[in-house]
Amino acid sequence: KAGVTQTPRYLIKTRGQQVTLSCSPISGHRSVSWYQQTPGQGLQFLFEYFSETQRNKGNFPGRFSGRQFSNSRSEMNVSTLELGDSALYLCASSLAQGAEAFFGQGTRLTVV
Amino acid sequence: EDQVTQSPEALRLQEGESSSLNCSYTVSGLRGLFWYRQDPGKGPEFLFTLYSAGEEKEKERLKATLTKKESFLHITAPKPEDSATYLCAVQAVGSGYSTLTFGKGTMLLVSP
Repeated sequence: KAGVTQTPRYLIKTRGQQVTLSCSPISGHRSVSWYQQTPGQGLQFLFEYFSETQRNKGNFPGRFSGRQFSNSRSEMNVSTLELGDSALYLCASSLAQGAEAFFGQGTRLTVV
Repeated sequence: EDQVTQSPEALRLQEGESSSLNCSYTVSGLRGLFWYRQDPGKGPEFLFTLYSAGEEKEKERLKATLTKKESFLHITAPKPEDSATYLCAVQAVGSGYSTLTFGKGTMLLVSP
């Protein structure tokens, strides 16, 4: 059974650029969540989608956005990149409410 | 606001030296408490889900317990391969579909 797949694994971008990250959940999982992980702040919730609808949003600026497609695949976009956006971005998928979330390997974004 | 606090931040053990990691939480209503293990550069790996006070789960050298205010991850006779960061997260009732609030983790190092 394939796990959560995130692409690309690594990205280097310049300040001011924008970036799109992709996540393919485990087959059958309709819930996808995104998290940002940094050494200082740990794992922080970005947003969550279920059946193409955003169900919850974390405390991040509007430069961070996401969407989910009908096949449950999800993308997140960060516009006007800042140095502080450098982080490991993790995607997780769940089968049901209250069920465990399975994480992908993450996308390591470096903003220079 | 949901909060999760993990202690200690770091723990160094000798192989075979048992210990416990603590996770204190504050939520309006607990849907589930999750333990994950994370190796450097990788996504979190699911370990356990606990749903109600008094519940316990075991897997190899790990045992997780839950009370109304905290959870413990007991590590019995650890081996060097147990070295990792252990993350605790809560899912609160009313916090979206499957949103997780994470603690900052306990970094465990087991020396041979």
